[in-house]
Amino acid sequence: EAQVTQNPRYLITVTGKKLTVTCSQNMNHEYMSWYRQDPGLGLRQIYYSMNVEVTDKGDVPEGYKVSRKEKRNFPLILESPSPNQTSLYFCASSLSAMDRGLGYIQYFGAGTRLSVL
Amino acid sequence: DQQVKQNSPSLSVQEGRISILNCDYTNSMFDYFLWYKKYPAEGPTFLISISSIKDKNEDGRFTVFLNKSAKHLSLHIVPSQPGDSAVYFCAASPRRTYKYIFGTGTRLKVLA
Repeated sequence: EAQVTQNPRYLITVTGKKLTVTCSQNMNHEYMSWYRQDPGLGLRQIYYSMNVEVTDKGDVPEGYKVSRKEKRNFPLILESPSPNQTSLYFCASSLSAMDRGLGYIQYFGAGTRLSVL
Repeated sequence: DQQVKQNSPSLSVQEGRISILNCDYTNSMFDYFLWYKKYPAEGPTFLISISSIKDKNEDGRFTVFLNKSAKHLSLHIVPSQPGDSAVYFCAASPRRTYKYIFGTGTRLKVLA
């Protein structure tokens, strides 16, 4: 089954304790992305990756790191989490549908709810 | 500055009638516009998209209209069904990038 898998689904941590949220896709997609969803703000892009070893900042990259060492994995790293990073996080991988004039169609994971105390 | 705006936080529609969800944008460099649907405790799922060179795209009960002069797009769902009750996000992507800007979402409730 084609899917984007995020782990963990729920995480409670304390300020300053490094954490990693994993994301894996089995669709051989080149493009992957991380978002956070906050009430009243919609989804905001944190980082994205066009391919292995190619990453770029989205709109809200501060306090986050990513790496793309393999095509299927795109982990999100919070080196020193703070309470303002409490949010719902989504990973997505994308299929190019440019040839059909539809842009990049993103497939999202089920989300990781993070609370930083 | 919110480049993609969904000004209606919620919408209620009777089953069988048309649902119209609206989205406004400010950046004329957006190349693609997409709609996603999100159920509670799930990730967003792709619904339909449109290129900036078109003004309409249709897929079954879903049609997206793009008015570039007004910088406005809308999603029409006809006929609306109770299973369509969800939060709908519009998103836009600037030319030749993989960046995505999402709106804040509209919660649609279809009443049986």
